[in-house]
Amino acid sequence: QSVLTQPPSVSAAPGQKVTISCSGSSSNIGNNYVSWYQQLPGTAPKLLIYENNKRPSGIPDRFSGSKSGTSATLGITGLQTGDEADYYCGTWDSSLSAGVFGTGTKVTDL
Amino acid sequence: EVQLVQSGAEVKKPGESLKISCKGSGYSFTTHWIGWVRQMPGKGLEWMGIIYPGDSDTRYSPSSQGQVTISVDKSISTAYLQWSSLKASDTAMYYCARRHCTNGVCHKDYWGQGTLVTVSS
Repeated sequence: QSVLTQPPSVSAAPGQKVTISCSGSSSNIGNNYVSWYQQLPGTAPKLLIYENNKRPSGIPDRFSGSKSGTSATLGITGLQTGDEADYYCGTWDSSLSAGVFGTGTKVTDL
Repeated sequence: EVQLVQSGAEVKKPGESLKISCKGSGYSFTTHWIGWVRQMPGKGLEWMGIIYPGDSDTRYSPSSQGQVTISVDKSISTAYLQWSSLKASDTAMYYCARRHCTNGVCHKDYWGQGTLVTVSS
């Protein structure tokens, strides 16, 4: 059972913007950096955002991350069909002394 | 080029043992943690544990502790996840991932392709 809560699904028309929330607590998001991962159907997860808002080389700037208090947000602008995937937030939980992932959000275009 | 290559799919019976592997290449294997992540059919990602190949320091999630063993053979740049007695509920895709850390801040930057484990009588 995940300690990080995400909406099960979000959708938007192609070209529009979507935001995905990730809600936690002071033992995880509140005091640790957040990463975001994209999992396309049938493939391994891929790093999208690390340290709250940094993008690895090769990740387009349509993807952005932010954090405030015990919540984090992933934004995707100019939604494309190829962005249809599951998205997960992740961080360290100091109380569990273990990493944790969010419940996952499926992004679909309308 | 950083690569993590996992062993192939496995089909086992309940009660059998199993050890799956993850071979790293293209980077300094001994100075990066390796993590294991479980994904049950149709479900989300679950953090299982991590190991530091340099000294075999290992951490487990509370739910994985005692259920699996994570180990490493740094001479061949390979990490392992093993079970002594599989259960049907261990059926899942298992991913390894490199954990990149800077000043104590870490994230999983490279992932293996996954190993599907099916446990069925």
